[in-house]
Amino acid sequence: GESVGLHLPTLSVQEGDNSIINCAYSNSASDYFIWYKQESGKGPQFIIDIRSNMDKRQGQRVTVLLNKTVKHLSLQIAATQPGDSAVYFCAENTGNQFYFGTGTSLTVIP
Amino acid sequence: DAMVIQNPRYQVTQFGKPVTLSCSQTLNHNVMYWYQQKSSQAPKLLFHYYDKDFNNEADTPDNFQSRRPNTSFCFLDIRSPGLGDAAMYLCATSKTLNTEAFFGQGTRLTVV
Repeated sequence: GESVGLHLPTLSVQEGDNSIINCAYSNSASDYFIWYKQESGKGPQFIIDIRSNMDKRQGQRVTVLLNKTVKHLSLQIAATQPGDSAVYFCAENTGNQFYFGTGTSLTVIP
Repeated sequence: DAMVIQNPRYQVTQFGKPVTLSCSQTLNHNVMYWYQQKSSQAPKLLFHYYDKDFNNEADTPDNFQSRRPNTSFCFLDIRSPGLGDAAMYLCATSKTLNTEAFFGQGTRLTVV
């Protein structure tokens, strides 16, 4: 499979602060990326996606940034809430399947 | 309403005894994926179907097989489960190969 890695395995933030989760990918041919949130014992839940023809996409409280030059993806969560505590995965698609990165465990401190 | 449904949520099987996990979808998506996720690890793609076309990952053991009898259902068969096959098994669907994948809640497999 493809190599999709994350820089930080764990991240702790204060409630109300902004969170930034990073991801590096290895395949320059990847053209579609998704951030998933996974709570304990549950399946991954779609957060936001971005295609390679864009470098930024915003959702509700979340922003994804894509830097194709350095093959880097980030997820920004604004005003982090306790309900945001989970493991976050980036997934890359090379055109026919999704490969997941290692994951970052986000803990929100009340 | 659940769109990708996996049954059962928890499955206990004996070492070496064949086991089947099931997945159904109400989205009418063309693609169905099976992932294996071990504790504190990322989901690992085992194989996927695009309609009836089966695509196996190169490193998926022969012990793992899959069937897709129709658009809505897909099964994961583990012919002779070993202790190392204990994991969460995730099913996902997508409309095409390069669109958002929706996941089920997974089946937690325990091998005793």
